Amino acid sequence: DGGITQSPKYLFRKEGQNVTLSCEQNLNHDAMYWYRQDPGQGLRLIYYSQIVNDFQKGDIAEGYSVSREKKESFPLTVTSAQKNPTAFYLCASSPGVDYGYTFGSGTRLTVV
Amino acid sequence: GENVEQHPSTLSVQEGDSAVIKCTYSDSASNYFPWYKQELGKRPQLIIDIRSNVGEKKDQRIAVTLNKTAKHFSLHITETQPEDSAVYFCATSKPRRDTGRRALTFGSGTRLQVQP
Repeated sequence: DGGITQSPKYLFRKEGQNVTLSCEQNLNHDAMYWYRQDPGQGLRLIYYSQIVNDFQKGDIAEGYSVSREKKESFPLTVTSAQKNPTAFYLCASSPGVDYGYTFGSGTRLTVV
Repeated sequence: GENVEQHPSTLSVQEGDSAVIKCTYSDSASNYFPWYKQELGKRPQLIIDIRSNVGEKKDQRIAVTLNKTAKHFSLHITETQPEDSAVYFCATSKPRRDTGRRALTFGSGTRLQVQP
């Protein structure tokens, strides 16, 4: 998967459940990102991390949480507070700021 | 975050014709401008990028131009082929207001269809 792996590919969430999306990279990139993609819209930034043990909220962080305990891993938790979580979630990494991102293959989350 | 305006939202061209997609931005602190191609059901992939100290960059049939004064940049695809059909996203990198740290803000995408 080009050095950055997202799992699972498809995920179904029941109302009131928290779910965690996995993102792992072996590119030795310092920075990692989570974006949400809805049909007909661009990618919107949820959270980002430029170094281990540090992360910042993006434009649509409400209802989401992240951790960055290891350089290789940046999991995203979609909490029950996120009222409209059905979307395609993309994780990305880059060597640093102002470099092109490498994207994972995405996780499609559906609320059932 | 900063809005990046991308036009057109859809573009249909005949094979062999050229395609141009334009993006505008508002913050003069933007200094990095990548373009991504996303085929149906796949991940976005970087196809070309340009930095603020360069006005134009070309890679085979793809070129990007940057007008810093007017705050817009464009993707040009020449001699289009059916495999160019995809959604194309522009993006800009600038310091975020809350943290001063940089992350990419994306345009809303252009669906390009190349008719054989």
